[in-house]
Amino acid sequence: DTAVSQTPKYLVTQMGNDKSIKCEQNLGHDTMYWYKQDSKKFLKIMFSYNNKELIINETVPNRFSPKSPDKAHLNLHINSLELGDSAVYFCASSHIYYTGELFFGEGSRLTVL
Amino acid sequence: AQSVTQPDIHITVSEGASLELRCNYSYGATPYLFWYVQSPGQGLQLLLKYFSGDTLVQGIKGFEAEFKRSQSSFNLRKPSVHWSDAAEYFCAVGFSSSNTGKLIFGQGTTLQVKP
Repeated sequence: DTAVSQTPKYLVTQMGNDKSIKCEQNLGHDTMYWYKQDSKKFLKIMFSYNNKELIINETVPNRFSPKSPDKAHLNLHINSLELGDSAVYFCASSHIYYTGELFFGEGSRLTVL
Repeated sequence: AQSVTQPDIHITVSEGASLELRCNYSYGATPYLFWYVQSPGQGLQLLLKYFSGDTLVQGIKGFEAEFKRSQSSFNLRKPSVHWSDAAEYFCAVGFSSSNTGKLIFGQGTTLQVKP
């Protein structure tokens, strides 16, 4: 039973399209995150939600919009996809948000053509 | 600005040899420190963490790390590497003053294990 699950695992799409990545955690954690890993494997935080409240919103284009319908789910919607959006997007969760002890999903590889 | 540096992009060791992966951070206070491992095609798994107290911390899979405040370092060690340890290793820093859980990651070290 996967603790943090993301769908889809792979996503190939054309520039200009809109796509979503879904994330669910069954760990009972209050905080969820989206991280982006680029082609050089550099990981950077994008967003964080604690109990459905946005607490981190890094310098991310407003084409990216997270949505947390409940504390077990954090989805990422991306509008007007660009080539530079190609990356692996990781969802993560944590029990206590200020410590940064994260549990990661397996990632969603987005390829924009 | 806070930063994390992993000086070694790629390391190759022989199976059974000892391992040390370096991590240095830049931050004005004592941070929370983490090592994560990423196997190919997988998410990141927490190996160990340091919040406070004993500066030598033990983790899973036989790994340990030592926090040295004077050197702003948190190096990861393993006495005897197994072939299954081949993976990407990330050092990460969290900030006790931020109350957000934000982590800053190093650029990663790729570990290759020779038979």
